[in-house]
Amino acid sequence: GAGVSQSPSNKVTEKGKDVELRCDPISGHTALYWYRQSLGQGLEFLIYFQGNSAPDKSGLPSDRFSAERTGGSVSTLTIQRTQQEDSAVYLCASSLNGRTGIETQYFGPGTRLLVL
Amino acid sequence: TQLLEQSPQFLSIQEGENLTVYCNSSSVFSSLQWYRQEPGEGPVLLVTVVTGGEVKKLKRLTFQFGDARKDSSLHITAAQPGDTGLYLCAGPNAGGTSYGKLTFGQGTILTVHP
Repeated sequence: GAGVSQSPSNKVTEKGKDVELRCDPISGHTALYWYRQSLGQGLEFLIYFQGNSAPDKSGLPSDRFSAERTGGSVSTLTIQRTQQEDSAVYLCASSLNGRTGIETQYFGPGTRLLVL
Repeated sequence: TQLLEQSPQFLSIQEGENLTVYCNSSSVFSSLQWYRQEPGEGPVLLVTVVTGGEVKKLKRLTFQFGDARKDSSLHITAAQPGDTGLYLCAGPNAGGTSYGKLTFGQGTILTVHP
């Protein structure tokens, strides 16, 4: 079956603009995660969805960041009033149910965001 | 906060050499995972280790979980150019509402030269 897909693959925006990043998880996966990765670095957790609910938003850097998930499927990460420090690769992952720490998380290819 | 520290951060070797990447923490993890990431792609899971002292082998890759479950290592024998990539260790959140939430190390960039 299809893997996790993300769009757009690349996004260049001007400082102060809003951006929306989309994630389509693997069908049937109830758990969905957003991470942020700076160049050549490890991943920083942003938010976790279980179904349409987000029990853990602890990684969102500021109130400019928000995310939602609808129909237990597609998720959108929105960054308002973008800043240059928001430039990074935003990765989405999904897993079957997110109830244990040993599940496999399947990652999308990421959205490369550049804020000028 | 659970932190994972990887070393070395960069590794540049010739084809055929052996190498080891380390992942250390002051916290106990119930399990640890190793991922490999190629440029322009998301990380792909290589292995999950769950028992202290566990050793898992995947072809030329050997993964070990420390007895105290605070550290792990990845050893590659006879490295090949196709092994080039970013290697990441990751461990799950200690509890709460995000059992699947992962803490990642900062990664090791491996370059294998032909």
